[in-house]
Amino acid sequence: QQQVKQSPQSLIVQKGGISIINCAYENTAFDYFPWYQQFPGKGPALLIAIRPDVSEKKEGRFTISFNKSAKQFSLHIMDSQPGDSATYFCAVLLTSGGYQKVTFGTGTKLQVIP
Amino acid sequence: NAGVTQTPKFQVLKTGQSMTLQCAQDMNHEYMSWYRQDPGMGLRLIHYSVGAGITDQGEVPNGYNVSRSTTEDFPLRLLSAAPSQTSVYFCASSRQVVNSPLHFGNGTRLTVT
Repeated sequence: QQQVKQSPQSLIVQKGGISIINCAYENTAFDYFPWYQQFPGKGPALLIAIRPDVSEKKEGRFTISFNKSAKQFSLHIMDSQPGDSATYFCAVLLTSGGYQKVTFGTGTKLQVIP
Repeated sequence: NAGVTQTPKFQVLKTGQSMTLQCAQDMNHEYMSWYRQDPGMGLRLIHYSVGAGITDQGEVPNGYNVSRSTTEDFPLRLLSAAPSQTSVYFCASSRQVVNSPLHFGNGTRLTVT
């Protein structure tokens, strides 16, 4: 059973447009929701993250919107640039017994065209 | 700052061969893990370790072994490679602190023929 469902699988956006990637989860015990960015040939790197007691977090052009009642969270990239072309993974964290368990979504390949 | 270092970058194996993927981190992180990345499947956890001498299975552990004799190193062993193990493998580490981010290496692309 997939713990987090990510959509779309791929996304093409024009330069200057808004990119939106969505994730949905089932387990209300998840306690942290990060997004990772991965460039070709590289490992993923943390981009931005949000706690479940916050509805929105913004860092520069990147914003996470979190809807606790709907069990959904999304990444918005404003004024998308060709340099944002990468694969994006949402993730959910569960802290139990002092340990964190991270589960990733299936990824979204974003292409920003000039 | 080296961070997480994985070797080799690329490897081709024949079915039945064995090999070890190396992972080392220089951040003194307690937690280390191995993921495999396959198209449309995201990143799936193979094995993880919360400290030297302690390892546990993740979501897809079959066909893989790990050990953690030091804080720095966390090798992944394929005892008898199968074509289904063709994938990109990532090692990651983090502090054992709430909401600490994962730091990934740059991956090993493995092809099993």
